[in-house]
Amino acid sequence: KAGVTQTPRYLIKTRGQQVTLSCSPISGHRSVSWYQQTPGQGLQFLFEYFSETQRNKGNFPGRFSGRQFSNSRSEMNVSTLELGDSALYLCASSSSGQGYEQFFGPGTRLTVL
Amino acid sequence: ILNVEQSPQSLHVQEGDSTNFTCSFPSSNFYALHWYRWETAKSPEALFVMTLNGDEKKKGRISATLNTKEGYSYLYIKGSQPEDSATYLCAFIIDGNQFYFGTGTSLTVIP
Repeated sequence: KAGVTQTPRYLIKTRGQQVTLSCSPISGHRSVSWYQQTPGQGLQFLFEYFSETQRNKGNFPGRFSGRQFSNSRSEMNVSTLELGDSALYLCASSSSGQGYEQFFGPGTRLTVL
Repeated sequence: ILNVEQSPQSLHVQEGDSTNFTCSFPSSNFYALHWYRWETAKSPEALFVMTLNGDEKKKGRISATLNTKEGYSYLYIKGSQPEDSATYLCAFIIDGNQFYFGTGTSLTVIP
């Protein structure tokens, strides 16, 4: 089985711009979660999508949004980028149940200048 | 915001030493506790999924225990090898599939 893929791997944007990151889960996985990692912080949960619906949401401002398509691929969008949004963004997929192990993608490294 | 704490933050051990780390989490609304290993330049990989109080899991030289009543989990590595060098993350899961990760323990095994 192919693993979780994320595109792009690296991205440089400037403040005020918006960005869209993409995640393709493992075939058959219907849950996709997004995480942000900044230096000194653990993985911060952004949101989880399951069957095209946002099932859970972390404590992030509304500038962070996402969606999931019928093929379970997911996108994450960040609008009006701030310097503090510079981070590694990881997505992870899992089977449909709750509490199942997460399979992580390689991440997208976003730099905001 | 739930607080998941891991200690120590970093650890250097000699090859062959055994070591252990701690993950502390809230004792209420527990659904599951996961351990992940995150090697540099790779993606985090699941080590253990633990759901029941008293759970003990083992994979080779690595094992983990879980105490949901007091809110902690231990990860043990027996006879550490250089390839065990990585950051070890625990994730506390509450009902609803919300994952709360600790900041990790960075392990360096010195040959």
